Amino acid sequence: NAGVTQTPKFQVLKTGQSMTLQCAQDMNHEYMSWYRQDPGMGLRLIHYSVGAGITDQGEVPNGYNVSRSTTEDFPLRLLSAAPSQTSVYFCASSYTAGSNQPQHFGDGTRLSIL
Amino acid sequence: GQQVMQIPQYQHVQEGEDFTTYCNSSTTLSNIQWYKQRPGGHPVFLIQLVKSGEVKKQKRLTFQFGEAKKNSSLHITATQTTDVGTYFCGLEGAGSYQLTFGKGTKLSVIP
Repeated sequence: NAGVTQTPKFQVLKTGQSMTLQCAQDMNHEYMSWYRQDPGMGLRLIHYSVGAGITDQGEVPNGYNVSRSTTEDFPLRLLSAAPSQTSVYFCASSYTAGSNQPQHFGDGTRLSIL
Repeated sequence: GQQVMQIPQYQHVQEGEDFTTYCNSSTTLSNIQWYKQRPGGHPVFLIQLVKSGEVKKQKRLTFQFGEAKKNSSLHITATQTTDVGTYFCGLEGAGSYQLTFGKGTKLSVIP
């Protein structure tokens, strides 16, 4: 099992560009989520999905879109990148939804917006 | 809304010394999780606590859930350089499907 796979690992964008961060899991997990990690801010929830076709907003959703057309994939889209979106992005998944479920994290995507 | 505070933000210890990080919530928790993130790595699940007053051990790590289920601690006995990293608590966020994290405690171990 590969677990949670995120691509790319690193990316540099110019302000205003769009891009999609990919996240795939092969564990048949229902629940998937995206976090951003900034120095001193910990992990902040952007969007999450409790199953295919269902998504919802987390703590910091502005500037990001998500979709969940399959159980395996949960891409994160930046529509018009801004320097404030420079961060490390982590995708996570768990067997089912609920705060009592251990989260499996991907290796992260390190994104810089110039 | 619920607020979570994790202290300290940073901790530098000499190898062999003990280390403790605390996670405090403004509301009663149904459960709490602990994660470790090595430098340059991703968070890795360590343990979950569910019951009031629960204490769990993993080798040199001791996890405790407060009697009121509003706070938790992670204690490491006799730290080693392999313990270096950031330790996060994870708990129920604004919605029952949201896991929110403390800001973490970054542990440095001086050999």
